[in-house]
Amino acid sequence: QVQLLQSGAEVKKPGASVKVSCKASGYTFTGYHMHWVRQAPGQGLEWMGWINPNSGGTDYAQKFQGRVTMTRDTSISTAYMELSSLKSDDTAVYYCARDLLNTALPYWGQGTLVTVSS
Amino acid sequence: DIQMTQSPSALSASIGDRVTITCQASQDISKYLNWYQQKPGKAPKLLIYDAFNLETGVPSRFSGSGSGTDFTFTITSLQPEDIATYYCQHYDDLPLTFGGGTKVEIK
Repeated sequence: QVQLLQSGAEVKKPGASVKVSCKASGYTFTGYHMHWVRQAPGQGLEWMGWINPNSGGTDYAQKFQGRVTMTRDTSISTAYMELSSLKSDDTAVYYCARDLLNTALPYWGQGTLVTVSS
Repeated sequence: DIQMTQSPSALSASIGDRVTITCQASQDISKYLNWYQQKPGKAPKLLIYDAFNLETGVPSRFSGSGSGTDFTFTITSLQPEDIATYYCQHYDDLPLTFGGGTKVEIK
């Protein structure tokens, strides 16, 4: 069965960077795009971007352009999302989610809480 | 970017009630609309894809309809386990965007 296992919670200071990992299993890692979606406390869902694990190609939401980098390591079926220049309003749960051939997001990681605080 | 306007933002209904949530896109998105359920502390769960297709294993009391700019999500008979927040999401183009969510509570 498809599983996405994310790295643990992080606490960072303003201005720092955070890198969240998402280890995939149960399917061919290079066959499907991996998306990153975040959710601030008590707020809705916000799409950050995606990576094509086969080519390494990415597409980021304009809001995060210049601050986010999505990468992957196909040898260990793991996707990464790095967010730099952290601010307090980056405090959120960050999810990876595998798509279904560029349509829905049927598979989600468990989420990683990133807290930005001085 | 395509904006998704979801309403209401919250509702309270009794067990067994019919619950309806609407989602309006800022432009024609054909059938490229999904619905998710999210319970507190959990990741979203896909319920409906392509506007009206029920994801495998999802109870048949959930349904979706619509195309173009106007979409509807329905729970025909609300159950206690349906207490959650529901989101619509389009995939017509990038960036993907979600509606603001509808929190469903028991009256």
